[in-house]
Amino acid sequence: QVTLKESGPVLVKPTETLTLTCTVSGFSLSNAGMGVSWIRQPPGKALEWLAHIFSNDEKSYNTSLNSRLTISKDTSKSQVVLAVTNMDPLDTATYYCARCYDSGDRRYFDVWGRGALVTVSS
Amino acid sequence: SYELAQPPSVSVSPGQTASITCSGDRLGDLYVYWYQKKPGQSPLLVIQQNSKRPSGIPERFSGSKSGNIATLTISGTQAMDEADYFCQVWDTTAVFGGGTKLTV
Repeated sequence: QVTLKESGPVLVKPTETLTLTCTVSGFSLSNAGMGVSWIRQPPGKALEWLAHIFSNDEKSYNTSLNSRLTISKDTSKSQVVLAVTNMDPLDTATYYCARCYDSGDRRYFDVWGRGALVTVSS
Repeated sequence: SYELAQPPSVSVSPGQTASITCSGDRLGDLYVYWYQKKPGQSPLLVIQQNSKRPSGIPERFSGSKSGNIATLTISGTQAMDEADYFCQVWDTTAVFGGGTKLTV
């Protein structure tokens, strides 16, 4: 059974850096054809894709947030980490990690974590 | 950056057919995916590669695409289908539409 679980702080202060960890099970982060993305949803708003890490460790970022995001993985720990710098109240959202099925022209999110609500407030 | 447009809301009576559209430049060249999102739950993939239903998704969910417009159709809509629906493509990066709130 494939599962993903997000962990991290529930509250961060403005200007701080948010670090979230996604722990996966049921598949390997080195499996060709599989990757992991981070996606968020602010309250009452749309899903917003943030970043992706491919099985070969290549990374891709939302161009609107590129300078603030860093994604990495530790395959031995089955973990994907997202860092978001300079947090703002507008970054308050539920943050999801999701497995991405990747076959080149077909990339979609077939398994999602339960999400982690992060609030930015002083 | 690439953008996908969806109607903010669609309303349907129980048992009727609901149609939700997703439009974007060059959508004809991309595979479209649809997700159902209910409050307090994680998104659920309901349509992959324009028109394929993943295992476990009811037959009343279907997808199609014509030119630069993709459509999610729910036939015989049930109360349990009330949710937000998002389309998604992967252009150079993943992109989600703005979402459509389906009211049954």
